Amino acid sequence: EAGVTQFPSHSVIEKGQTVTLRCDPISGHDNLYWYRRVMGKEIKFLLHFVKESKQDESGMPNNRFLAERTGGTYSTLKVQPAELEDSGVYFCASSQQGTSGFYEQYFGPGTRLTVT
Amino acid sequence: LAKTTQPISMDSYEGQEVNITCSHNNIATNDYITWYQQFPSQGPRFIIQGYKTKVTNEVASLFIPADRKSSTLSLPRVSLSDTAVYYCLEQGGKLIFGQGTELSVKP
Repeated sequence: EAGVTQFPSHSVIEKGQTVTLRCDPISGHDNLYWYRRVMGKEIKFLLHFVKESKQDESGMPNNRFLAERTGGTYSTLKVQPAELEDSGVYFCASSQQGTSGFYEQYFGPGTRLTVT
Repeated sequence: LAKTTQPISMDSYEGQEVNITCSHNNIATNDYITWYQQFPSQGPRFIIQGYKTKVTNEVASLFIPADRKSSTLSLPRVSLSDTAVYYCLEQGGKLIFGQGTELSVKP
């Protein structure tokens, strides 16, 4: 069974540009999460999808970040315009059906974003 | 804010048993204790989860006392490949990560 995949693995962009990160969860997983680690700090929650609906987006830092999950399959996270402080590693995770918080979350390898 | 507190780092030698203790004094009634492992340049990986008493799987054991204010992850006979960061989390939905414990296993 394929795990969670993320694309690209690394992205380098200039301040003010736009970047779109993609996450493909494990097939059949209704729950999809985005996290990020910036500046060597702790991994922080960004948002949670249940199928195509945003269940919790309390961790989204500002309106420059837009997450979508059309059709309840893959998800994209767009940063527009990117700022220097957005540099970090963005992780995606998925878990199986249900809104319970007790299911194991499977993480992807992350996308390393560098804004110069 | 992270809800859990654990040592920042630990050192061990191959073949030893390692116990990492985590404090979660205000854990919610419905929350579980979950431990993740993370290697450099990889995403976190689930190790074990429990609610109360003892849970054991092929990788580790998890001990949670009756008051649930702390938990201990036990790794039997560690090897060099167990060098990683270990996170203790209260899980009731989204994961809230703390700093984790950086475990270094030496030959």
